[in-house]
Amino acid sequence: GDSVTQMEGPVTLSEEAFLTINCTYTATGYPSLFWYVQYPGEGLQLLLKATKADDKGSNKGFEATYRKETTSFHLEKGSVQVSDSAVYFCALSRIGNQFYFGTGTSLTVIP
Amino acid sequence: EAGVAQSPRYKIIEKRQSVAFWCNPISGHATLYWYQQILGQGPKLLIQFQNNGVVDDSQLPKDRFSAERLKGVDSTLKIQPAKLEDSAVYLCASSLVTQETQYFGPGTRLLVL
Repeated sequence: GDSVTQMEGPVTLSEEAFLTINCTYTATGYPSLFWYVQYPGEGLQLLLKATKADDKGSNKGFEATYRKETTSFHLEKGSVQVSDSAVYFCALSRIGNQFYFGTGTSLTVIP
Repeated sequence: EAGVAQSPRYKIIEKRQSVAFWCNPISGHATLYWYQQILGQGPKLLIQFQNNGVVDDSQLPKDRFSAERLKGVDSTLKIQPAKLEDSAVYLCASSLVTQETQYFGPGTRLLVL
């Protein structure tokens, strides 16, 4: 069945460091891929998405590229800030099927 | 536009008691989802509504959980009787159409003692 695998955390980085959070997926057909972010005590917010192969989603300095050949959708940011500290979830959906979320990766950015 | 509203934000109950959560989706969103998020895990879909009809409730523990969306807008999720393992955050989300971007509410944090 469909599934999403994320790199395990927690991840701790210094401010202005480069961030990569790995996400790979298993799905038949052509799923849409998403990154959601959850700040402490809040619900999930959509960070970015991509709906077809080679699409790049971007928002707030974060980017992820839909790679069908490697079934990946890795999240990257060139220079993280303290305010980026949160839990990040990779997710996929297919037409006629439900959303599948990864287990989440906790990021802490220290000044 | 207003986001997804949920209440209460926090609830503490004893096992075997009942509890209900309320969700008001974004106006015009036909699809509504209830998720259970256990600490340290990703959200798990409990039930999905399209207007007031159930699309998917395959992971809803129907012996104790129930949900309704009577007029195709607000929804209520109920647990009766609660067990210790029901301690989690219950998230409500909505989307314009099925499988499109979901918008989440702040969640209800439930603690069962």
